[in-house]
Amino acid sequence: QLQLQESGPALVQPSETLSLTCSVSGGSITSGSYFWGWVRQSPGTGLEWIGSIHSSGNTHYNPSLKSRVTISRDTSKNQFSLNLASAADTAIYYCVRDSGSWDVDFWGQGTLVTVSS
Amino acid sequence: DVVMTQSPLSLPVTLGQPASISCRSSQSLVKTNGNTYLNWYQQRPGQSPRRLIYKVSNRDSGVPDRFSGSGSGTDFTLKISRVEADDVGVYYCMQGTHGPGTFGQGTKLEIK
Repeated sequence: QLQLQESGPALVQPSETLSLTCSVSGGSITSGSYFWGWVRQSPGTGLEWIGSIHSSGNTHYNPSLKSRVTISRDTSKNQFSLNLASAADTAIYYCVRDSGSWDVDFWGQGTLVTVSS
Repeated sequence: DVVMTQSPLSLPVTLGQPASISCRSSQSLVKTNGNTYLNWYQQRPGQSPRRLIYKVSNRDSGVPDRFSGSGSGTDFTLKISRVEADDVGVYYCMQGTHGPGTFGQGTKLEIK
């Protein structure tokens, strides 16, 4: 059974970089034609796609965040990561599997990241 | 980005009664390959969203057949034939035809 688990700091200083990691079990991030990505949820903006990385290593990002986002992976650990610069974005961050066309079929449990000094 | 508009935003329903949620997109969701990438998600209180329906009308494994999706072009509907207590939560539509994928505002279903 596929499982995705987010990890990272719960508190980030404003304007610093928000960094999260997603550990995947029950499936390989390099097999199949899946994207592995990040979606966030906040009361103000609702659910918002951030971006994803394909099993081949190609990435695609939401244009509204593209200048601040980097998604990378560590295939040896079966993990992928999110870096979001200039943090101002308190939200629950979910790591997800995208089966193509931004189609989320699996979600992690989510992690709340608060941006505050 | 494609704007997804759901209605109603709040939906009080009596147990055993049907429920219906509408989702409209700001442009057609038919992709050049002929597929329509419109999904429905359920988010129960304190949980992550869970996909119920993909590509308009396909139910995910384990989803009761009380849930059904329909629609085409820019107008889509999620129907629950008989609401149960377990259905309480927020329901979202999401389009994946035009990148980036975008979600509706959510419809909160509660029991009267």
